[in-house]
Amino acid sequence: AQTVTQSQPEMSVQEAETVTLSCTYDTSESDYYLFWYKQPPSRQMILVIRQEAYKQQNATENRFSVNFQKAAKSFSLKISDSQLGDAAMYFCAYRKQGAQKLVFGQGTRLTINP
Amino acid sequence: KAGVTQTPRYLIKTRGQQVTLSCSPISGHRSVSWYQQTPGQGLQFLFEYFSETQRNKGNFPGRFSGRQFSNSRSEMNVSTLELGDSALYLCASSPSTREFYSGANVLTFGAGSRLTVL
Repeated sequence: AQTVTQSQPEMSVQEAETVTLSCTYDTSESDYYLFWYKQPPSRQMILVIRQEAYKQQNATENRFSVNFQKAAKSFSLKISDSQLGDAAMYFCAYRKQGAQKLVFGQGTRLTINP
Repeated sequence: KAGVTQTPRYLIKTRGQQVTLSCSPISGHRSVSWYQQTPGQGLQFLFEYFSETQRNKGNFPGRFSGRQFSNSRSEMNVSTLELGDSALYLCASSPSTREFYSGANVLTFGAGSRLTVL
């Protein structure tokens, strides 16, 4: 079974600084997709960024970028120029090819200090 | 375009009762998935429906059931509630495009239904 591990239960960063959230996963599949979701206090899960495993190029969405290391099964999220609105729970998620089911990590609570 | 709508947002039940939660997907989306979120177990997959058919089911007891209607709206039911069923129940919908199982097909989540069992 696939598993996703987020080893940092909590992280904090100063506003405008850069922070990296870690995620590792375990799978025997070769084709899969990885996601970072953000869950603010409003509880709405919002997609931050996604990565197809077959793509070597790391995904980037504005201030958010990933470092995808397929051989190491690592998928970290970098947030640049952190803003107060980035404060939330961040979940790393895995989905194998041909399936809709997401497997989530335990989450990292990110605090932004003004 | 309206997002995924879940009702009710909050509810309190007592042990032994049953509960029904509703999810209206984004217009045009035909796939609906349900997840349970608890502090101890995190986010766990419950079921996935597409065109009124259950395509996948998570590792939950038979007390948890669901269905999808012809308009893609979905309901989940939990019978004989236990204290451990207290959780945030999240619904997500996705479009039924050619890229249904590709990375281009992204789940959009609702705000959830917070169930408290006393």
